[in-house]
Amino acid sequence: GNSVTQMEGPVTLSEEAFLTINCTYTATGYPSLFWYVQYPGEGLQLLLKATKADDKGSNKGFEATYRKETTSFHLEKGSVQVSDSAVYFCALSPYNQGGKLIFGQGTELSVKP
Amino acid sequence: NAGVMQNPRHLVRRRGQEARLRCSPMKGHSHVYWYRQLPEEGLKFMVYLQKENIIDESGMPKERFSAEFPKEGPSILRIQQVVRGDSAAYFCASSPGLAGNNEQFFGPGTRLTVL
Repeated sequence: GNSVTQMEGPVTLSEEAFLTINCTYTATGYPSLFWYVQYPGEGLQLLLKATKADDKGSNKGFEATYRKETTSFHLEKGSVQVSDSAVYFCALSPYNQGGKLIFGQGTELSVKP
Repeated sequence: NAGVMQNPRHLVRRRGQEARLRCSPMKGHSHVYWYRQLPEEGLKFMVYLQKENIIDESGMPKERFSAEFPKEGPSILRIQQVVRGDSAAYFCASSPGLAGNNEQFFGPGTRLTVL
């Protein structure tokens, strides 16, 4: 089956620290991979995506590379800000299944000044 | 261009009542997805609809839950005879349904509390 596993939170960092949130997946075929961010009381916003192996998605200083050999899509940012505090969800969209998303359990990030 | 709209934002029901959650997709989007987020968990896919058609309901509970997306008007997620375990945030997402572009845009969610 299809599934996504993320590192557990909460993750607490100081401002300007380096961020890594691990994400691994299980899927048949060639899924698309996504990172979504959820701020308190809001819906999810797409942060970045990658649709094929070795693609790198990037946005707002965040990056993730689609690694087929390790079935991973780890999220990284070189220098986090307080405003990055949120819950981050890794997700996959199985190939040829209408676009539905399979989410990981989410990782809460808290950035302290 | 307004985003995905959901209402109500908060809904309180007593056990045994019905809950109706509405979702208006973004303009030009003809595909709607519903997800449920239980406390401390990630989002779980429930159902995928296009106008007047249910495409994939593999994530819907077998009883009490139904969804529709009529030709006119919003998509509706209906929960009959609610129980406490139905308390969750329900998110709707829409996409244009174009080949090669299945990006989903999420609404702010409806937080259902069952007393």
